[in-house]
Amino acid sequence: QVTLKESGPGILQPSQTLSLTCSFSGFSLSTSGMGVSWIRQTSGKGLEWLAHIYWDNDKRYNPSLKSRLTISKDTSSNQVFLKITSVDTADIATYYCTRREYFDYWGQGTTLTVSS
Amino acid sequence: DIVLTQSPASLAVSLGQRATISCRASQSVGTSNYGYMHWYQQKPGQPPKLLIKYASNLVSGVPARFSGSGSGTDFTLNIHPVEEEDTATYYCQHSWEIPYTFGGGTKLEIK
Repeated sequence: QVTLKESGPGILQPSQTLSLTCSFSGFSLSTSGMGVSWIRQTSGKGLEWLAHIYWDNDKRYNPSLKSRLTISKDTSSNQVFLKITSVDTADIATYYCTRREYFDYWGQGTTLTVSS
Repeated sequence: DIVLTQSPASLAVSLGQRATISCRASQSVGTSNYGYMHWYQQKPGQPPKLLIKYASNLVSGVPARFSGSGSGTDFTLNIHPVEEEDTATYYCQHSWEIPYTFGGGTKLEIK
């Protein structure tokens, strides 16, 4: 049974760095072809793909946010991480981690509020 | 970026009838035989759920009343016959190139 679960700080002040963790089970990120993406959803921009990390540590980023994003993984602990630097109100969203490039499994999401 | 335009933005379909949702890409998202287009259903308070992958492949466990078709730039999601539980917002998404993008969504209401 595949499950994914996101965790994050919930609230940040503008200019802080957002650190998100995706803890998953039911598959391995050491399996050839496997990958995990981060996606966010806002009421204004809808669903936005952020980044993807592959089993071989290859990484892909959304060019519109690439300078602010860092995706990484810890295969042994079944976790994927995403950092977003310099957050502001435009980053207020629900953040999801998902599996594969067609997103066949999703976590329940973690919400971020940005407020001073 | 490839822009995915969904139409209509909302629709109301009578119980048991057909719902048809279109997704048009700003450029081709596949080959002549293989479309890198996927369809999702999202209900309030829940994450999206994958229904169709690669244009026409029904995901295991998804009812057979859902079907997908299309290639190149034009793709369609059909639901027939619609049931009450199909009330949701539907999204298309491509995985042809980086960045992956989503359509703006189609809100389906069952009359």
